[in-house]
Amino acid sequence: DAKTTQPPSMDCAEGRAANLPCNHSTISGNEYVYWYRQIHSQGPQYIIHGLKNNETNEMASLIITEDRKSSTLILPHATLRDTAVYYCIVRSYTGTASKLTFGTGTRLQVTL
Amino acid sequence: SAVISQKPSRDICQRGTSLTIQCQVDSQVTMMFWYRQQPGQSLTLIATANQGSEATYESGFVIDKFPISRPNLTFSTLTVSNLSPEDSSIYLCSALGRGRRATNEKLFFGSGTQLSVL
Repeated sequence: DAKTTQPPSMDCAEGRAANLPCNHSTISGNEYVYWYRQIHSQGPQYIIHGLKNNETNEMASLIITEDRKSSTLILPHATLRDTAVYYCIVRSYTGTASKLTFGTGTRLQVTL
Repeated sequence: SAVISQKPSRDICQRGTSLTIQCQVDSQVTMMFWYRQQPGQSLTLIATANQGSEATYESGFVIDKFPISRPNLTFSTLTVSNLSPEDSSIYLCSALGRGRRATNEKLFFGSGTQLSVL
């Protein structure tokens, strides 16, 4: 699976949009971009995933650049409960390559 | 979505002993995995738990230290053997749930087992 690069930490004011970038310049055509988050002392939680089109669900939006070399996770109105470590992962669907390999993630701190 | 129950949630063990962690999923899943998360670190994949056969281990992890069983589609155990303080970590069970299409697969996690070795 391709490697991802994320900033180690970010701050965001409550109520504002949190934009978390991820670089995956070596992504291949059959690899999807997944985002997970881990709130302290809990197991990681699935947020969203996509291939090349922008995606939106009840939690977040995922914007993938046209060349697919980077993406941005957007939390439209961050709250204190969104404080967590956010992981960007790329994953292939070919054959048995179903495992997810976690990088170091971005620690998002939402403040009042 | 799949609900994963993992137990124990935490344990304190003596050096040289072993701990077995159980993982139960509430629905049939395609794959199950075990991860380790050392203090302040990201998640590291230990192995893929294969139903009815030996687990597939990642580099740096061996069966003698981390024996894994998966007798059916919804249950797996991880044993951490011959414990040392360096094994103090959070151990997480995860399962791959498939939607109607493989491209909708999502990995779900248990709440983890906090292991402290004295």
